[in-house]
Amino acid sequence: EAQVTQNPRYLITVTGKKLTVTCSQNMNHEYMSWYRQDPGLGLRQIYYSMNVEVTDKGDVPEGYKVSRKEKRNFPLILESPSPNQTSLYFCASSMKGGNSPLHFGNGTRLTVT
Amino acid sequence: SQQGEEDPQALSIQEGENATMNCSYKTSINNLQWYRQNSGRGLVHLILIRSNEREKHSGRLRVTLDTSKKSSSLLITASRAADTASYFCATDGGSGYSTLTFGKGTMLLVSP
Repeated sequence: EAQVTQNPRYLITVTGKKLTVTCSQNMNHEYMSWYRQDPGLGLRQIYYSMNVEVTDKGDVPEGYKVSRKEKRNFPLILESPSPNQTSLYFCASSMKGGNSPLHFGNGTRLTVT
Repeated sequence: SQQGEEDPQALSIQEGENATMNCSYKTSINNLQWYRQNSGRGLVHLILIRSNEREKHSGRLRVTLDTSKKSSSLLITASRAADTASYFCATDGGSGYSTLTFGKGTMLLVSP
């Protein structure tokens, strides 16, 4: 089944404790992206990747890191999480960036205390 | 930056009625897409309409695009309770291979 898989689904952590949210797609998509969703603010893009070893900042990249060593994986790293990074995070992928439909994962609800 | 803005923010209708949501955007686009999100879940792609298209249908969904007014509308006909969800428009950057930015969404409630 074609899908984008994010893990974990829920995560509660403390300020400053490094964490990684994994994202994997099995559709051989070139493009992958991370969004965060907050009430009243909609979806805001954090980072995106057009292909392996190519990553670019989105609208809200501060406090996040990504890597794209393999085509299928695009992990999101929070080196030192802070409470303002409490949010619902989505990974998505598509064949050709904004020119084709995005496939979304089921989301990771992160709480930083 | 969020290019698309949906209107209204919230819409409440009865089953069987039609629901219309609008999206306005600021810059040129190659395509505009509509997505649905059930509460807290991942977004699901509904329709992609290219800048040279004016109207597109998919089942009970009809999307129109007016590039001169930089606006699009999503019409859901004969709504069902299962259509209750948030609906988002998303636009690309208009210049080749680009990323996708989303509006804040319209929350649709369909009552039985």
